[in-house]
Amino acid sequence: ILNVEQSPQSLHVQEGDSTNFTCSFPSSNFYALHWYRWETAKSPEALFVMTLNGDEKKKGRISATLNTKEGYSYLYIKGSQPEDSATYLCAFNSNYQLIWGAGTKLIIKP
Amino acid sequence: EPEVTQTPSHQVTQMGQEVILRCVPISNHLYFYWYRQILGQKVEFLVSFYNNEISEKSEIFDDQFSVERPDGSNFTLKIRSTKLEDSAMYFCASSEKGGARQPQHFGDGTRLSIL
Repeated sequence: ILNVEQSPQSLHVQEGDSTNFTCSFPSSNFYALHWYRWETAKSPEALFVMTLNGDEKKKGRISATLNTKEGYSYLYIKGSQPEDSATYLCAFNSNYQLIWGAGTKLIIKP
Repeated sequence: EPEVTQTPSHQVTQMGQEVILRCVPISNHLYFYWYRQILGQKVEFLVSFYNNEISEKSEIFDDQFSVERPDGSNFTLKIRSTKLEDSAMYFCASSEKGGARQPQHFGDGTRLSIL
C-alpha cells in the first residue's frame, strides 16, 4: 500500500518567520509529487508539480525541493504572512492516481 | 480565472437514497476526477475520466458509484444506495491534459451527509 506522510501535522509560526515542512513518499514508481495549498472553505490550489530528482521550484515566497531517491520533498515559506495560513497538502502520483498526505496545517501568528 | 464549480455545496440524504453530485469542470479541460475526504481522514482518489470513459478507479469506487458526462459541461458522480460511511466531502477536479505531471484544478467540494 502506497503511503504519503507529512510532518508536522500542524505548525504555529510567528509572522515574519520562515518555516518548512516535509512530505515523505515511496521512492519507487515515482512519476510526480504535487503540492497544494488548501484554505478553509475553499478548494485546494495547485502550488507545484515536481518531477525530477533535485528539482527546486519557487512561487513568490514559497519554494519546494524534491529528492526522489530518498523519497522526500520540502516546502519552504520565507517571511510568513497571515495569508499563508492554510493546510499544505502533498500528493504522490504513481500512475494517474494522486495519493495524498494528511497535510500540514500552518497557522501564522500576528 | 476559470474555475471548477460544484453543486450543491451541502447535500443531506437519507441512507439508502440515491444522490447525484454535480461538477462543471473548466471548459477546455479534458480530464476529470472525483476525490473524497471523510472527516479527519486523508483525501482519497475515487475515479478519473477521459473521453467518456473511466480511466482509472480506486477500490472505493465500487458498483454503487458511477460517473457520467451527460452533456458538454457537466460531470456527475452518482451514489446509488447511500450508506452512512459515504458521508464525506466530495471534490471534483479537472486538468487540461492527462498524466501524472499535470496540475489538477479543484472545486470547492460538496459536503454529503447521510442520515
